[in-house]
Amino acid sequence: ETAVFQTPNYHVTQVGNEVSFNCKQTLGHDTMYWYKQDSKKLLKIMFSYNNKQLIVNETVPRRFSPQSSDKAHLNLRIKSVEPEDSAVYLCASSRGANSDYTFGSGTRLLVI
Amino acid sequence: GEQVEQRPPHLSVREGDSAFITCTYTDPNSYYFFWYKQEPGASLQLLMKVFSSTEINEGQGFTVLLNKKDKRLSLNLTAAHPGDSAAYFCAVSASSGSWQLIFGSGTQLTVMP
Repeated sequence: ETAVFQTPNYHVTQVGNEVSFNCKQTLGHDTMYWYKQDSKKLLKIMFSYNNKQLIVNETVPRRFSPQSSDKAHLNLRIKSVEPEDSAVYLCASSRGANSDYTFGSGTRLLVI
Repeated sequence: GEQVEQRPPHLSVREGDSAFITCTYTDPNSYYFFWYKQEPGASLQLLMKVFSSTEINEGQGFTVLLNKKDKRLSLNLTAAHPGDSAAYFCAVSASSGSWQLIFGSGTQLTVMP
């Protein structure tokens, strides 16, 4: 099966903890992304990663960092979570701008 | 950078009626446009991708209109049914070369039987 796979589906953690979310795509795409969807369902780009080039949305706090071992994987690490980090984090991939973007099923984070 | 505005935020229609959602964007160099559907607790499902060279695109039960002059993208669900109840998002592919999608703020559609 070819798709974008995210783990975990849900994660509950306390303020100040470190968390890491995994994303893997088996579509042969060359670009991967992380989006944040907040409680109002607003979707904001956080990072895009293509050919070892990382593009960061300047509004993303520095406690967030993407980690990639190869073009099929783009994980998301949050060093010290805060309550406002509670959201759904969606991973996506594409082959440049010419192909459809495929989204993973998302990781729902709750910070208590 | 690109900004995308989507209206309305909430829309309720009766089964069989049409549902019309509109997005406006700011970057005249934008080239790819998308409509996504998101059911509760689920991820984003691509409804349609349109290119700037095509104005009217018909899908299964819906039509997408692109007006480049007005920088407006519309989704018209014809004869809506309860299964169409979901959040709908437009998205525009940034022309900056980063291939990021800039999303509208979403429309929560409710189709009443």
